[in-house]
Amino acid sequence: NAGVMQNPRHLVRRRGQEARLRCSPMKGHSHVYWYRQLPEEGLKFMVYLQKENIIDESGMPKERFSAEFPKEGPSILRIQQVVRGDSAAYFCASSPVQTSYEQYFGPGTRLTVT
Amino acid sequence: GENVEQHPSTLSVQEGDSAVIKCTYSDSASNYFPWYKQELGKGPQLIIDIRSNVGEKKDQRIAVTLNKTAKHFSLHITETQPEDSAVYFCAASRSLSGGYNKLIFGAGTRLAVHP
Repeated sequence: NAGVMQNPRHLVRRRGQEARLRCSPMKGHSHVYWYRQLPEEGLKFMVYLQKENIIDESGMPKERFSAEFPKEGPSILRIQQVVRGDSAAYFCASSPVQTSYEQYFGPGTRLTVT
Repeated sequence: GENVEQHPSTLSVQEGDSAVIKCTYSDSASNYFPWYKQELGKGPQLIIDIRSNVGEKKDQRIAVTLNKTAKHFSLHITETQPEDSAVYFCAASRSLSGGYNKLIFGAGTRLAVHP
């Protein structure tokens, strides 16, 4: 039973480039959350999506960041024109139904901006 | 806004001893309190959780207690083993309109269990 999958696991980008992070939820899960973890800190909520809908993006920076979860394919977190401060680990979590408490995390993508 | 404080930030114990990690939360409407274990280079793994309608939950060597009046909850690990060494995160959430919940995490506790 495959868990939450994220790719790439490591991503290096130069300042000004775009970063595209992918998340495939657990089988049967249609709800995805994205969190960001800065070094030596806890995770911070960014966005919650259902298929084809952004439900809560209150944790997303207003500029350069966007997320989607299309009808087919993985959820994507996109960061345009990356800056050094975007360097972090980005985790997605999935849950089976909207009202499910449990969230199951993927292994994360570690983004390094040089 | 909502906040979760976690203590201690580091904890070192001898194998076989108990370890206790404490968290306090600010949002009195919080109703779900999970604990996650994160090993180096991996994602957080849910190890135990508790909902606001119970005061204590136990699963083998780990237990969680909740005091809603004081707005704090704790993780207890008994008979610690070297493989328990990891970073532990507490989190709190409340059901939002639409039924979903977003987790507010503590800053983490780095637990080291020495043989």
